[in-house]
Amino acid sequence: NAGVTQTPKFRILKIGQSMTLQCTQDMNHNYMYWYRQDPGMGLKLIYYSVGAGITDKGEVPNGYNVSRSTTEDFPLRLELAAPSQTSVYFCASTSQGGRNSPLHFGNGTRLTVT
Amino acid sequence: GQQLNQSPQSMFIQEGEDVSMNCTSSSIFNTWLWYKQEPGEGPVLLIALYKAGELTSNGRLTAQFGITRKDSFLNISASIPSDVGIYFCAGHAGSSNTGKLIFGQGTTLQVKP
Repeated sequence: NAGVTQTPKFRILKIGQSMTLQCTQDMNHNYMYWYRQDPGMGLKLIYYSVGAGITDKGEVPNGYNVSRSTTEDFPLRLELAAPSQTSVYFCASTSQGGRNSPLHFGNGTRLTVT
Repeated sequence: GQQLNQSPQSMFIQEGEDVSMNCTSSSIFNTWLWYKQEPGEGPVLLIALYKAGELTSNGRLTAQFGITRKDSFLNISASIPSDVGIYFCAGHAGSSNTGKLIFGQGTTLQVKP
């Protein structure tokens, strides 16, 4: 099983450029999440989705947008990249939102904005 | 917002030693989870705790859900080099069924052979 797949693995952007981080899962999970990880800060929730067509903001949504047109895909869009968005981005999914349903994480996208 | 305070921030130990790390919160959590992240990969679930006072083991790992529901600890016994990584505590707060997790800052573990 592929699980949660993120592309690209690495990317360098110039300030003001835009890009889309791709995330797809093959487990038919309804719930999907985007987190960012900064050194010594743990993981912070950017956006999440409880099903196709439904998205909601997390703790740090500013500067990002998401869409969920299918169950499998949950892309994260950066419209005007800023140095503060240099981070490692993780996509995760789970079958249900209850506390007995652990998150499955992708291997991350390391983004540098210069 | 809610926060989890995890300590220590980093540990450098000798192979064979036992390790202990903990996580505290100012608010009550309904679930405590412990994840491990290896270099270049995403976090992987190690142990999940669902009831106050619960003590759960997974091989050489043991974790407990604090009785006050505001803390949890993770112990690793007889550490080995492959234990190297970043360990995160995480929890579900409140009655939300969105599956959102709050994460601690992480404990970076290095093991010297």
